[in-house]
Amino acid sequence: GENVEQHPSTLSVQEGDSAVIKCTYSDSASNYFPWYKQELGKRPQLIIDIRSNVGEKKDQRIAVTLNKTAKHFSLHITETQPEDSAVYFCAAIQYNAGNMLTFGGGTRLMVKP
Amino acid sequence: EAGVTQFPSHSVIEKGQTVTLRCDPISGHDNLYWYRRVMGKEIKFLLHFVKESKQDESGMPNNRFLAERTGGTYSTLKVQPAELEDSGVYFCASSRSSRASTDTQYFGPGTRLTVL
Repeated sequence: GENVEQHPSTLSVQEGDSAVIKCTYSDSASNYFPWYKQELGKRPQLIIDIRSNVGEKKDQRIAVTLNKTAKHFSLHITETQPEDSAVYFCAAIQYNAGNMLTFGGGTRLMVKP
Repeated sequence: EAGVTQFPSHSVIEKGQTVTLRCDPISGHDNLYWYRRVMGKEIKFLLHFVKESKQDESGMPNNRFLAERTGGTYSTLKVQPAELEDSGVYFCASSRSSRASTDTQYFGPGTRLTVL
């Protein structure tokens, strides 16, 4: 089955700096890669996603890149703000085994003011 | 539109007791999923309903877990009898179409289950 690895598990940055979180996946048939942000005590919320026919997608301060050949994708947050502090999860759809999301282990991002 | 709701938000029970978690998906969403996050690890898939039918229950840990979705609306997940390792946060998610594999899954706030 699909396996998603996520690094780092914790990341501390200064406000205004950039943050990068990386994920690798094992199933080359996976074709959809969402990123979820979970603030303390709240529900995971989709912040950006990318499909396998696209190499990069941007939405204001966040961007995701996908390298299908290497089977890895990354989340980039620029000009970080304290409200970006949360746990971020990457995920992949296991294409041939239904619609279930396979998640990475999560990254706790702390943005210091 | 109202989001996915889950009840209760927290549940503390003793080993051997029974607990039933409820999930109300977004209205009109055919797909309903249950996931679980244990001890700060990754969120893991439990099962997937399409309307009232179980599409995939490969993630269910054992036969102490029973999920239902009568009438294709809300779903319940019952744990009987609960064991210590069942502690964690149980998330429900829903998505709209039963045809597209890439429809966004919207998550509920989760139920934090603690088994003592």
